[in-house]
Amino acid sequence: DSGVTQTPKHLITATGQRVTLRCSPRSGDLSVYWYQQSLDQGLQFLIQYYNGEERAKGNILERFSAQQFPDLHSELNLSSLELGDSALYFCASSVRDQGLQETQYFGPGTRLLVL
Amino acid sequence: AQSVTQLDSQVPVFEEAPVELRCNYSSSVSVYLFWYVQYPNQGLQLLLKYLSGSTLVKGINGFEAEFNKSQTSFHLRKPSVHISDTAEYFCAVSERFSGGYNKLIFGAGTRLAVHP
Repeated sequence: DSGVTQTPKHLITATGQRVTLRCSPRSGDLSVYWYQQSLDQGLQFLIQYYNGEERAKGNILERFSAQQFPDLHSELNLSSLELGDSALYFCASSVRDQGLQETQYFGPGTRLLVL
Repeated sequence: AQSVTQLDSQVPVFEEAPVELRCNYSSSVSVYLFWYVQYPNQGLQLLLKYLSGSTLVKGINGFEAEFNKSQTSFHLRKPSVHISDTAEYFCAVSERFSGGYNKLIFGAGTRLAVHP
């Protein structure tokens, strides 16, 4: 158990709908990262938040957005869902090892199926 | 930008045999490397990491990896595998971006299948 929690574990929805995925980082971790894992694209970085502020964006679609709340939990919002959004969505939180290097610890993921 | 190549998409092996999962990365001045494991229907678990120091890194579950700067490789090894090691293994490199933060660039993964 990494200490990162994600809810829900599974989500089934229809095209055009909107869903919210939730992540709670490990106690004391200020950074939250979101990743998407799909069969065709592999594991891709979406977005990162640090202490409530957006720090970096990766391959995140405009239909997707995220935020980090004062209690440090984060939500990833996916809207106007398409079949191709079906994937496993991971959240990770990080601890700083040495200098500016970090190690990321991953949650169990949310499996999204868009029908 | 950094990139990671995992040379084998699948590696079948018999139980108690040794295994090596290969990983190459694009070169960089400073490189930080990780191996994660994903068991069926589970999340990613950190196996080991290389930040600096000794090039031989020991991780959990008897795995180890060797950082080779000249060959830009970070191969994962285990001298004797168990059925329970059946999983997907991901090599990742950490890329720094502005503000001093890091994102992980993952390889495509290697599916290790251990047979009795």
